[in-house]
Amino acid sequence: GDQVEQSPSALSLHEGTDSALRCNFTTTMRSVQWFRQNSRGSLISLFYLASGTKENGRLKSAFDSKERRYSTLHIRDAQLEDSGTYFCAAEAGQGTGSKLSFGKGAKLTVSP
Amino acid sequence: EAGVTQSPRYAVLQEGQAVSFWCDPISGHDTLYWYQQPRDQGPQLLVYFRDEAVIDNSQLPSDRFSAVRPKGTNSTLKIQSAKQGDTATYLCASSDWGVAEQFFGPGTRLTVL
Repeated sequence: GDQVEQSPSALSLHEGTDSALRCNFTTTMRSVQWFRQNSRGSLISLFYLASGTKENGRLKSAFDSKERRYSTLHIRDAQLEDSGTYFCAAEAGQGTGSKLSFGKGAKLTVSP
Repeated sequence: EAGVTQSPRYAVLQEGQAVSFWCDPISGHDTLYWYQQPRDQGPQLLVYFRDEAVIDNSQLPSDRFSAVRPKGTNSTLKIQSAKQGDTATYLCASSDWGVAEQFFGPGTRLTVL
């Protein structure tokens, strides 16, 4: 079964609003990586976390350091250019090399 | 520093034709991954290499797909006798071995008619 469950699958925001995406993992994960995929199909890495939180401009991501079973991506003051599909991908424990399991994505649409 | 490069960017085939995709990873990255991403789905790992060795190809349809990385740098993914179900974007990524952070190329969008 799927190891990475993303929610919501789609989201519509107005410019200037805040929101959050979440990924739940069915097993303990070592690390998580968040991506945005643009309309041309390019996967842009936003964050890589082995624990704790990271922030970059209006984006902030957290990885549950205790249970290692979920991660969040917060978007503050959403802008039109934030539109795209967001994926989280997680690395399971030892024995898998560096394999990432991807969620099914969250399609974000930001409108004026 | 150059990122991961892939070619071609697009390919359109008839069923039964063959196609090859090429990937050049980030310089110094010893681990290379090939993913298949069907429309409106997340990427799914097909195969990955450490240097020239295949580490895991359990998800690669071995009857029609093959992947090589002969010198541990560039890699080629080939589909023999493509089927309509192979329509997808094929993504290449690279990383340092043992570090899960991966960097992706722009992908090749394949359409099989």
